[in-house]
Amino acid sequence: GAVVSQHPSRVICKSGTSVKIECRSLDFQATTMFWYRQFPKKSLMLMATSNEGSKATYEQGVEKDKFLINHASLTLSTLTVTSAHPEDSSFYICSARTASGSSGELFFGEGSRLTVL
Amino acid sequence: DAKTTQPPSMDCAEGRAANLPCNHSTISGNEYVYWYRQIHSQGPQYIIHGLKNNETNEMASLIITEDRKSSTLILPHATLRDTAVYYCIVRVASNTGKLIFGQGTTLQVKP
Repeated sequence: GAVVSQHPSRVICKSGTSVKIECRSLDFQATTMFWYRQFPKKSLMLMATSNEGSKATYEQGVEKDKFLINHASLTLSTLTVTSAHPEDSSFYICSARTASGSSGELFFGEGSRLTVL
Repeated sequence: DAKTTQPPSMDCAEGRAANLPCNHSTISGNEYVYWYRQIHSQGPQYIIHGLKNNETNEMASLIITEDRKSSTLILPHATLRDTAVYYCIVRVASNTGKLIFGQGTTLQVKP
């Protein structure tokens, strides 16, 4: 299947700093990528839809100024957690579609575990 | 997108078939049934999807009832590495493509 890669896989930061997580589609172009977060023993929660060349669409309750999303190319989307606090500690996962306008499946990255001290 | 209902947990003996049910009684005619699984601390892995016909690939089989209100994912010979949370999701095939995850079924394959 198609490969989606995230970096870093783990990051620890101090409270108040900003952290950037990258999501890359390695062998296909993705006009749309999605960002999820997951707390321990919970399901994935969709945060936002990242569209190449345009502003991201955020789900209800997700702060757009807190979670900055940039999708500058067809193979890269970034999520920046600004002024991180301990409650932002979570597992962040991105996904990308292989084709638009079809029933094509979504492929997911390996996830990035953020720990804010 | 239609909601799904799955049992929270199931056990299966290694080497036996694992049958994971999913109810989606409010599914619309243009919604597909997707199955993903998530092994601990990893991103979800695509398994299979279908509209109304039964589907089979190298990982699993998907059986969809004639009225499409429920489906079953079948892992024919479960191994310990199949221990994971399995998510059944229904969504419209559109270019928005987003998946909304429910709570899934935790499958424990036991030796």
